[in-house]
Amino acid sequence: GDSVTQMEGPVTLSEEAFLTINCTYTATGYPSLFWYVQYPGEGLQLLLKATKADDKGSNKGFEATYRKETTSFHLEKGSVQVSDSAVYFCALSDPTGGFKTIFGAGTRLFVKA
Amino acid sequence: NAGVTQTPKFQVLKTGQSMTLQCAQDMNHEYMSWYRQDPGMGLRLIHYSVGAGITDQGEVPNGYNVSRSTTEDFPLRLLSAAPSQTSVYFCASRLHRSTDTQYFGPGTRLTVL
Repeated sequence: GDSVTQMEGPVTLSEEAFLTINCTYTATGYPSLFWYVQYPGEGLQLLLKATKADDKGSNKGFEATYRKETTSFHLEKGSVQVSDSAVYFCALSDPTGGFKTIFGAGTRLFVKA
Repeated sequence: NAGVTQTPKFQVLKTGQSMTLQCAQDMNHEYMSWYRQDPGMGLRLIHYSVGAGITDQGEVPNGYNVSRSTTEDFPLRLLSAAPSQTSVYFCASRLHRSTDTQYFGPGTRLTVL
C-alpha cells in the first residue's frame, strides 16, 4: 500500500542554518504530495504542495520538488528562524487510493537563537 | 467562516465509557476524515467520508464509529473506551479531490483511565 517515510527527528539547528527534511514515498498511482506543519498546541496546516512530477511547491521560504524518479519530496529552507520550530509532516494523497491521505511520522524541528 | 471546529478540546474517560467527538465544517467540503495522533506514529486515519451518507474505514477503525448525515457534521463515536484510545484526535476536511488542501480542526486530547 501507499506509504510515506520521513527522516527521524528531532532536528536541532541554529538560527539562519540551512534546513533539509527528507521525505520518500511509495504509491501505486500518481499522488499529490504535501508538507504540513504543526505548531505547538495546534492542528496541522498546509505549508506547500505539488501535484505532479517536477512541480516545485514553495511558501514562507520553504521549498520542495516532486521527484518521481527518486520518489522523493524533500523539504528545504535556506535560513531557518526560531519561529520555524514545529513538527513537519510529509503526506501523499493518491486518487487511486480511495481519496485517503497518508502521513509520515513527522519530524520535530527545534531552532535555537 | 469558522473552518473546522471540534469539541470538546479535552476529555477524560473511564474504561468502558462511551462518548462522541464532534466535528463540523462550514466550507461545504465533501471529504471529511478523522485521524489520531500518537507520539512517533504521525497521523493515522480512523474513518473518512466522501459525502453525506457515505463513510469508509481507514487504517485503525476498530473501536470507533462514524456517520455523515449532513455535509457539515462528521461525529466520531467511541463505543467502549479503552486506554489504548488515549490520543489526540483531529478532524479534517477538503473540498473533494486528492489535490485539494486538507483543513484541520484544533484537536481533541482524550485520556482514557
